[in-house]
Amino acid sequence: DAGVTQSPTHLIKTRGQQVTLRCSPKSGHDTVSWYQQALGQGPQFIFQYYEEEERQRGNFPDRFSGHQFPNYSSELNVNALLLGDSALYLCASSPDTSPDTQYFGPGTRLTVL
Amino acid sequence: DQQVKQNSPSLSVQEGRISILNCDYTNSMFDYFLWYKKYPAEGPTFLISISSIKDKNEDGRFTVFLNKSAKHLSLHIVPSQPGDSAVYFCAAEVLSGGYQKVTFGTGTKLQVIP
Repeated sequence: DAGVTQSPTHLIKTRGQQVTLRCSPKSGHDTVSWYQQALGQGPQFIFQYYEEEERQRGNFPDRFSGHQFPNYSSELNVNALLLGDSALYLCASSPDTSPDTQYFGPGTRLTVL
Repeated sequence: DQQVKQNSPSLSVQEGRISILNCDYTNSMFDYFLWYKKYPAEGPTFLISISSIKDKNEDGRFTVFLNKSAKHLSLHIVPSQPGDSAVYFCAAEVLSGGYQKVTFGTGTKLQVIP
């Protein structure tokens, strides 16, 4: 049983560009959350998707958007990239709102030059 | 506004001894508190959790204590093993109307010395 997978593992972009990160949840999970982890910080909640809709959002600007597909996989899009967007982006999936069933992927390391 | 704080960025402990990792929070509305462990190049892995209505939860070598009046929780690892060396994140969760929002601390890097 594959866990949460994310692609790509690393990505380098320049300021002003747009990026799309992808996540496949663990089998049987229908809820996907995205987090940003800057260097030396803990993961910060970006948003959560359930039934193809964003149902919860953290303190991130509208440049951050997402999508969930019918197969529960998800994408995170970031427009007009800033240097400060450089971080590890983590995807987590869970089957429901149980607090201890959130499984994280290995993350995508985004570097903005 | 850092609602979940881990004030010790690192901790070194001898193998076989107790490791105590601390966490403070400011939001009294948190419903659950969780600890995650993270190895390099991997995502965080859930370790143990505690409901806000309890004061202790134990799972093998791991015990989490919650002191609501002090808004403080701690993770005890006994005995510590070299494989426990990792970054530990404290996290707190609000469950509201079926929604789940998790707030993480900044992490404590634990090194267990053989």
